[in-house]
Amino acid sequence: QVQLQESGPGLVKPSQTLSLTCTVSGASISSGSYYWSWIRQPAGKGLEWIGRIYTSGSTNYNPSLKSRLTISVETSKNQFSLKLSSVTAADTAVYYCARVIRNDYGNNWFDPWGQGTLVTVSS
Amino acid sequence: DIQMTQSPSSLSASVGDRVTITCRASQSVSGYLNWYQHKPGKAPKLLIYAAYILHSGVPSRFSGSGFGTDFTLTISSLQPEDFATYYCQQTYSTPWTFGQGTKVEIK
Repeated sequence: QVQLQESGPGLVKPSQTLSLTCTVSGASISSGSYYWSWIRQPAGKGLEWIGRIYTSGSTNYNPSLKSRLTISVETSKNQFSLKLSSVTAADTAVYYCARVIRNDYGNNWFDPWGQGTLVTVSS
Repeated sequence: DIQMTQSPSSLSASVGDRVTITCRASQSVSGYLNWYQHKPGKAPKLLIYAAYILHSGVPSRFSGSGFGTDFTLTISSLQPEDFATYYCQQTYSTPWTFGQGTKVEIK
């Protein structure tokens, strides 16, 4: 069964770059026609979709974050990563990674998700 | 961006109750609507995709309906393990967006 696990620093200073990695186990990240996605949830707030990447490297980003965001994939390590630059306190959140499944009708859904990792932006 | 509005934001219910959560989109999302269950400290779990299709392994007491702008998640008989926060999500157009969540608490 496919499992995802986020990893990275739990504390990032303002104006620096937040970097997280999602490690996929139980299946090859290259197998199947899947996107891989990042989602975040600030404390007390709802879920925000950050962006997605296909194993070819093709990406789609949330326009609200696009200017600061890079999502990449490293198939040899079965990982994909998130880099968010020029962070502020507003970027403090639990960050989740997830596999995106798409059916023939164009529906997309997230399954499974990682457990999430808290990133705090503070000096 | 398509705005997703859930109601209620929270509810208190007893074991065995029938619970209904609604999700309204600011424009039509066709049937591109998913529901997730989230418990504190855990990974969110997919319950229903494409508005009404029950994900594998999800109990049949969960059901989804709707099309276009109005959707419903129903729990036919609330169980102790169902106390959680529920989110709807549209994947009709990017950026994909979620509702603000509905917290189901014990009465």
